Amino acid sequence: AQTVTQSQPEMSVQEAETVTLSCTYDTSENNYYLFWYKQPPSRQMILVIRQEAYKQQNATENRFSVNFQKAAKSFSLKISDSQLGDTAMYFCAFIAANAGGTSYGKLTFGQGTILTVHP
Amino acid sequence: EAGVTQFPSHSVIEKGQTVTLRCDPISGHDNLYWYRRVMGKEIKFLLHFVKESKQDESGMPNNRFLAERTGGTYSTLKVQPAELEDSGVYFCASGPRGLNTEAFFGQGTRLTVV
Repeated sequence: AQTVTQSQPEMSVQEAETVTLSCTYDTSENNYYLFWYKQPPSRQMILVIRQEAYKQQNATENRFSVNFQKAAKSFSLKISDSQLGDTAMYFCAFIAANAGGTSYGKLTFGQGTILTVHP
Repeated sequence: EAGVTQFPSHSVIEKGQTVTLRCDPISGHDNLYWYRRVMGKEIKFLLHFVKESKQDESGMPNNRFLAERTGGTYSTLKVQPAELEDSGVYFCASGPRGLNTEAFFGQGTRLTVV
């Protein structure tokens, strides 16, 4: 079974600054995907960024980037140039995949981190 | 393109009553998932449909929960009778057939049992 742990219940950052959200996981799977999802207040949860475990290069999406440390089973999210619209609950998640890269089963989530961006 | 839609957005019911949550997935998505987040805890998997068939229902907490997906389109999750510990946010997600590394989520239904 997989577990995902987010040790920061709440974080805050000033607008335009950088913040890093932590996530660790545990699994015996050889291949998998890791995700960061964002849920703004009263809105849908959306995918922020995705990392494939067999890819060594860290994923980036505009102001969002990850630091994927496979051996340490760590998957942190860095938000650069924080904006007020980044205020949301952030969830780290895991899904197993087969050797061909097709995922299967269900997402396993962490507890979430509430991020508040202050003007 | 319409996203995943969930109804109602909020529901407050008394213990012992019945509640039915509905999820309309993105058109054409074969995979449909239900998840639940109990206050302050992680989001947990409830079950997974592939079209109208239950692929995995290992996360369903007990037989008070019944999920259906008529004709492989929308899905309902009924809780009968509701208990206090059923309170939480129920999320639905859908994904296309095959490679399903991305699930598209609805906004969730906040259920409060009093």
